Amino acid sequence: DAGVIQSPRHEVTEMGQEVTLRCKPISGHDYLFWYRQTMMRGLELLIYFNNNVPIDDSGMPEDRFSAKMPNASFSTLKIQPSEPRDSAVYFCASALTAGRREQYFGPGTRLTVT
Amino acid sequence: RKEVEQDPGPFNVPEGATVAFNCTYSNSASQSFFWYRQDCRKEPKLLMSVYSSGNEDGRFTAQLNRASQYISLLIRDSKLSDSATYLCVVNDRGGATNKLIFGTGTLLAVQP
Repeated sequence: DAGVIQSPRHEVTEMGQEVTLRCKPISGHDYLFWYRQTMMRGLELLIYFNNNVPIDDSGMPEDRFSAKMPNASFSTLKIQPSEPRDSAVYFCASALTAGRREQYFGPGTRLTVT
Repeated sequence: RKEVEQDPGPFNVPEGATVAFNCTYSNSASQSFFWYRQDCRKEPKLLMSVYSSGNEDGRFTAQLNRASQYISLLIRDSKLSDSATYLCVVNDRGGATNKLIFGTGTLLAVQP
């Protein structure tokens, strides 16, 4: 079975550029999560969706970040304009429930903003 | 105070050793608890859930102390392959949201 799929796996961009990260959750999972991981702050939840609807976006750092889920099999996280402090690994995860069962993580996108 | 706190380590132990990690959480209303494992440059993966009565999975034992709000993970007979970062995870219920809060992880290095 295919797990969570993320693309690209690596992204290097210059400050000020738009960055779009993509995620395909596991089929049948109703919940999709976007996380950011850095050495300093660990794994932080940015936003999560239930049935394509954003439920909690309190972790989105600022207006430069936006996320969409147009259908059950696709989500994007966009950063515009990007800044060097956005450099991190961005993980997408999906789950059958929000907080009581396992979340399945994708391989992550390693973003470097120069 | 952080919602989930862990000793970052590293814990350097020889093969065959027993090692224990602790984790504390701040939300007394939390109901679900987990340990995830993350290998270097990989994604986190569920190691085991933590139940109120304590639970064991092979060499791994997890325990929960609700009164003190801490969770533990015990690894017996450590293997080289156990080297990884172990993330303590707690659910956080609040209003309409129900999400997992991850600790920053404890790094384990098992030495030959």
